[in-house]
Amino acid sequence: QKEVEQNSGPLSVPEGAIASLNCTYSDRGSQSFFWYRQYSGKSPELIMFIYSNGDKEDGRFTAQLNKASQYVSLLIRDSQPSDSATYLCAAQRGNNRLAFGKGNQVVVIP
Amino acid sequence: GAGVSQSPSNKVTEKGKDVELRCDPISGHTALYWYRQSLGQGLEFLIYFQGNSAPDKSGLPSDRFSAERTGGSVSTLTIQRTQQEDSAVYLCASSGGGAQETQYFGPGTRLLVL
Repeated sequence: QKEVEQNSGPLSVPEGAIASLNCTYSDRGSQSFFWYRQYSGKSPELIMFIYSNGDKEDGRFTAQLNKASQYVSLLIRDSQPSDSATYLCAAQRGNNRLAFGKGNQVVVIP
Repeated sequence: GAGVSQSPSNKVTEKGKDVELRCDPISGHTALYWYRQSLGQGLEFLIYFQGNSAPDKSGLPSDRFSAERTGGSVSTLTIQRTQQEDSAVYLCASSGGGAQETQYFGPGTRLLVL
């Protein structure tokens, strides 16, 4: 079982719609979770982090964490073409290293 | 201030040659990480430096890989006797070093082994 799993396959959403991304993790000891956005050919950039159960909102982005279910999600509201990228979910392990999922590609269709 | 910088941005080498990749972290960041991203794969942890502590080398894939961090700042990742499967983007990240600290990534070095 991989440490962090993300749904495979690209997600296509029309402009203005909500994009929903999901992630599960295997290590119950993980306490901190991060969503990074990666444009093609670029390095990952932080979108949001979440430590506590529940929702955390930042602009058009909402992260949700459910530690009992070992589940993290990211919602992108009012999706824009500029949101088209790969979104990486990461769980922080011991020694602070991050375990990443393979990523979800999001394509926002104008 | 300046972000994480890496050099070279691209490196093409022949199988069997040694390569050195450099990372300059954000000023004041005590923690430095190396990750590798192969085509179509997620980021794979390689090594972690925190201050003057012994590095966590648990992610290094073979003894051909080594890294050092001089003066608690710049780090060099060395790959000896490169193989074609070493071709990947090598990403460096730095953070303040505390738990739950965000890691900020550099632009990466794209390594191609022919």
